[in-house]
Amino acid sequence: DAKTTQPPSMDCAEGRAANLPCNHSTISGNEYVYWYRQIHSQGPQYIIHGLKNNETNEMASLIITEDRKSSTLILPHATLRDTAVYYCIVRVQASYDKVIFGPGTSLSVIP
Amino acid sequence: EAGVVQSPRYKIIEKKQPVAFWCNPISGHNTLYWYRQNLGQGPELLIRYENEEAVDDSQLPKDRFSAERLKGVDSTLKIQPAELGDSAVYLCASSSLQGYYEQYFGPGTRLTVT
Repeated sequence: DAKTTQPPSMDCAEGRAANLPCNHSTISGNEYVYWYRQIHSQGPQYIIHGLKNNETNEMASLIITEDRKSSTLILPHATLRDTAVYYCIVRVQASYDKVIFGPGTSLSVIP
Repeated sequence: EAGVVQSPRYKIIEKKQPVAFWCNPISGHNTLYWYRQNLGQGPELLIRYENEEAVDDSQLPKDRFSAERLKGVDSTLKIQPAELGDSAVYLCASSSLQGYYEQYFGPGTRLTVT
C-alpha cells in the first residue's frame, strides 16, 4: 500500500471549515483515498472515499489533486463533535486489501 | 441497522491469565477484522476473515493469540497467556462484499494487563 503523510495535529474554530491535508505521493492508479475518523473511546468511523474526482457526502468533502499525490478532507462547518483523530488511507478497492492506519491527524475544534 | 457489537468493553487481568473478546458483526457482512490499537497509534490489523476462513493472519502472534469465526458470523479473539505488552484496545470491524468495502468498527475492548 502507498504510504500517507498527515500533520499530527490541527486546531479549528467552531463553525469554520476544517481542512485536513494528506500526502500520498506514491499512490498507484488503482488505489483509492479513504478517510476515517476516531472519536475518543470509539472505533474508527468511515467518512468518505474517492479515486480521482472530488466527492461530497453528508459528512464531508474530499478534494483530490489532479496528479492524485495529495488530498484534502473538508468539514464545512466544524462542530465540537468533530474533535477526533482523522486517518487518511490509500488502498485498492477490494475486500482482500489491507487497511493500514497511520497515526492520523488529531483535530481539535475550539469553541 | 445495528452496528458491530463487542464485549466486554473493558477487561483488567493479571499477566499470564487468559482473556477472550467477542464480536458480532453487522448482519450480512462477510468480512470480519480484528485490530489492535496501542495508545496514540492507529489500529493494526491482526486477522481478517472471509466468512469462516481466516484469509490474512500474518500479523497475529500465533504463540499466544488465537481466533475463530464459527459459522461465519460471530468471532472470538483469545490471548493465552496475556503479557503486559498486550494492554491495548482490541477492535472488531466488518465489511460487505457489496459497496466499496468500507469497514464498520465496533467500540472496542480496552484490555489492561497488570
